[in-house]
Amino acid sequence: DAGVIQSPRHEVTEMGQEVTLRCKPISGHDYLFWYRQTMMRGLELLIYFNNNVPIDDSGMPEDRFSAKMPNASFSTLKIQPSEPRDSAVYFCASSYGGLVDTQYFGPGTRLTVL
Amino acid sequence: GENVEQHPSTLSVQEGDSAVIKCTYSDSASNYFPWYKQELGKRPQLIIDIRSNVGEKKDQRIAVTLNKTAKHFSLHITETQPEDSAVYFCAALGGSSNTGKLIFGQGTTLQVKP
Repeated sequence: DAGVIQSPRHEVTEMGQEVTLRCKPISGHDYLFWYRQTMMRGLELLIYFNNNVPIDDSGMPEDRFSAKMPNASFSTLKIQPSEPRDSAVYFCASSYGGLVDTQYFGPGTRLTVL
Repeated sequence: GENVEQHPSTLSVQEGDSAVIKCTYSDSASNYFPWYKQELGKRPQLIIDIRSNVGEKKDQRIAVTLNKTAKHFSLHITETQPEDSAVYFCAALGGSSNTGKLIFGQGTTLQVKP
């Protein structure tokens, strides 16, 4: 398996623009997690899905952030409109056994909002 | 909700020495405690985990101990090597095993000097 796949790897955009991050989990994994990593706040869980259904989105910072998982092999995290404080590395992770199992992280998307 | 504190924030040791990283958590119901290693510019990867029904777990040079009464757990690395240099994150699963979420510590930057 190729592991968790994320795209793009790097994104530079201007404030106010819409940003869409994409993730393909490992085949057979039914949990998918979106994390944000910054120096100030560390690694934060934004939202996670089980069997394509959002379970906990309490980490989503505000209404500008939205996430979807239309099928078992694809998820998106959208920021609209983007702001400079959204600059971070966004990781997607997936697991097979749920919350008490290994989470396999993707390579991350480094987002810079100018 | 769950809160995880991790110490120290940075740790420098000589090659061959041992390194210890400590974490405390707040939710007495937490029952799963993984440790992730993140090399510079890379994704976090699970190195070891422990569940609340076990007090200690070892995997070669790495061990984790858990004290449920005191609500703290520690990572022990023996015979450190330069390739152990990375950021280490502890985490605790707050809430239930089905609907909780992992809360990460702020990370410890370990530097192993050759």
